[in-house]
Amino acid sequence: QKEVEQNSGPLSVPEGAIASLNCTYSDRGSQSFFWYRQYSGKSPELIMFIYSNGDKEDGRFTAQLNKASQYVSLLIRDSQPSDSATYLCAVNNDMRFGAGTRLTVKP
Amino acid sequence: DAGVIQSPRHEVTEMGQEVTLRCKPISGHNSLFWYRQTMMRGLELLIYFNNNVPIDDSGMPEDRFSAKMPNASFSTLKIQPSEPRDSAVYFCASRDSSGNTIYFGEGSWLTVV
Repeated sequence: QKEVEQNSGPLSVPEGAIASLNCTYSDRGSQSFFWYRQYSGKSPELIMFIYSNGDKEDGRFTAQLNKASQYVSLLIRDSQPSDSATYLCAVNNDMRFGAGTRLTVKP
Repeated sequence: DAGVIQSPRHEVTEMGQEVTLRCKPISGHNSLFWYRQTMMRGLELLIYFNNNVPIDDSGMPEDRFSAKMPNASFSTLKIQPSEPRDSAVYFCASRDSSGNTIYFGEGSWLTVV
């Protein structure tokens, strides 16, 4: 069974800080990686996807991929209380998700 | 453009009853996913279809669960007989052929008493 692992948290950061979320995966052949955000009581929504090693930036969000070490991370700069949610990592075409990391940004 | 549409949004049923959850994917999308989400187990992939064909059903928990996709615009997930441990939020999601993004429906909240 292909595994996607995330630290379930909770992770708490002060407003304005950088939040760092990590995800590891077991299938070395994985090619595509996704970060989703899920607010309480809502469905997951896509934040970013990344295919290539290195960094990909979109506004306050940066996804980092290291295929050799089999991890993908998400950095949220200038964290806001509205970023408080569960962040889910998904890998590859079959879209299996990690358990998610619950993030709280405190004002 | 309408998103993924699921029905019912909420269902409360008694143990032993049959439950049918329905999903209409986004028009033009060729992949459809069924997920189950609980606090304990997170977001689990149950089954996914590509061009109406089941590709991976290894996540289907047991024979009480079955899923069909008779055409590109409709899918069902059936639980028969239902049990209290089936209580969860069931999400349907669809994806187009580019493979970049899957879009989730709002979920069906199932409670089995």
